[in-house]
Order: sequence, then C-alpha cells, then structure tokens
Amino acid sequence: SSELTQDPAVSVALGQTVRITCQGDSLRNYYASWYQQKPGQAPLLVIYGKNNRPSGIPDRFSGSSSGNTASLTITGAQAEDEADYYCNSRDSSDNRVLFDGGTKLTVL
Amino acid sequence: QVQLQQWGAGLLKPSETLSLTCAVYGGSFSGYYWSWIRQSPGKGLEWIGEINHSGGTNYNPSLKSRVTISVDTSKNQFSLKLSSVTAVDTSVYYCARGSWYRSPPNYFYYYMDVWGKGTTVTVSS
Repeated sequence: SSELTQDPAVSVALGQTVRITCQGDSLRNYYASWYQQKPGQAPLLVIYGKNNRPSGIPDRFSGSSSGNTASLTITGAQAEDEADYYCNSRDSSDNRVLFDGGTKLTVL
Repeated sequence: QVQLQQWGAGLLKPSETLSLTCAVYGGSFSGYYWSWIRQSPGKGLEWIGEINHSGGTNYNPSLKSRVTISVDTSKNQFSLKLSSVTAVDTSVYYCARGSWYRSPPNYFYYYMDVWGKGTTVTVSS
C-alpha cells in the first residue's frame, strides 16, 4: 500500500512518555517526517530524517524507524504538546507526497 | 529566516477557479520543492502538488485533472490554480517548502520545513 496509517488518538499523562507510530510501505525507503499542528495554526516540522530536530524543537521529541514503521516519541510530555501529529513521506513509485490521517494527542 | 506569504481569493462560487500565490522571502528559491497542501474543516492534510525552481511539477493524481502549479522565479513566487471548484474544495490551503534528497545507500529524506500561514477558501453559491 502507498498509504500511511496511524492511530487516530493517543493520550499520555503529564510528564510521561508517549510513542506515536506511522505505518506504510513508503517508509521502507523514506525517513518519515513529523509535524505538530495546533488548532488554527499551520503544521510545524518537529522531526525529519533519521532523527533530526529543526532549530527550536525541544529535545524531548525524537524519531525512529524500523521496516515499514516510523515512530515519534515524546519523552516527558508537556501540556503544550497536546496537538495533532502527522507523519509524511513520499511514494517511491509515483513520487506522490503522502500524509497519514493524523493522531490527536491528549495530555492528561 | 525564510518566510512564505500567501494570498488569494477566499470566497468562490461553484465552477469557478481557485487562484492562490505564495511568495518566498529571505531564502533561496532553487534547490527546493514548493508545495500546496490543503486541509478540509476538521480533517487531515492533503497534498495537492509541487513545483521546483525549473518548473518541474508533481501532482496528486486525485486532483491532477484540475490543478496547475506554476512558478515565477523572477519574483520568487509560485501559484496554484484549481479549476471547477465545488463545496468539497472548501479548505484551508497552505504553501510549504520541501526538501527532497537521497541518503545513501537506500533511503530518501523528504520534509517540509517552512509553511505559509494558510488561506481559508470557501466555495459556496
């Protein structure tokens, strides 16, 4: 499949660790990139490549991948991390840019 | 610091053509892939298409018949036209800068690190 799938909703207690996963065949050839989106705002890149954070992104955000699965981990989740998270890659066969449906993260 | 500023008509009638433009300030236009992405109310992100500095394009197959993305390198701008709009095209439209390169031996990187603020487009009769 050339699609990306992830859990629609995940919750985490304040200060705990949460992992958001994304699956798809494209992830066997592409590192996933991860975006955080808060209501009324544009998406914000938080992880790209093997495990790279853009300037200004806290180091509690990290990424990993194995086979067809990519993961975004937030170690010590904060209230401000509550948002929608999207993973993104490309389809190797037709070069389409792919987004999954997003995961709504709730920090309890 | 690179910034994207986007603009265009926010209210359209069915069958009209959506037209948006995104200007790139503070950075190079070449070497990147410039995308349009949209988000329907309460829904996820949908990639529309992209263009590079030399005019090469890729489009989402589901929208390809109605989409044209063009570039004006003299102004560091790129534009989106979506024809024959209907209510289902009502969305927030974003422009974004994409980086796409190979990580030997077998992997690729792709990510969008700069985004416009979004333009709300409503299609209504």
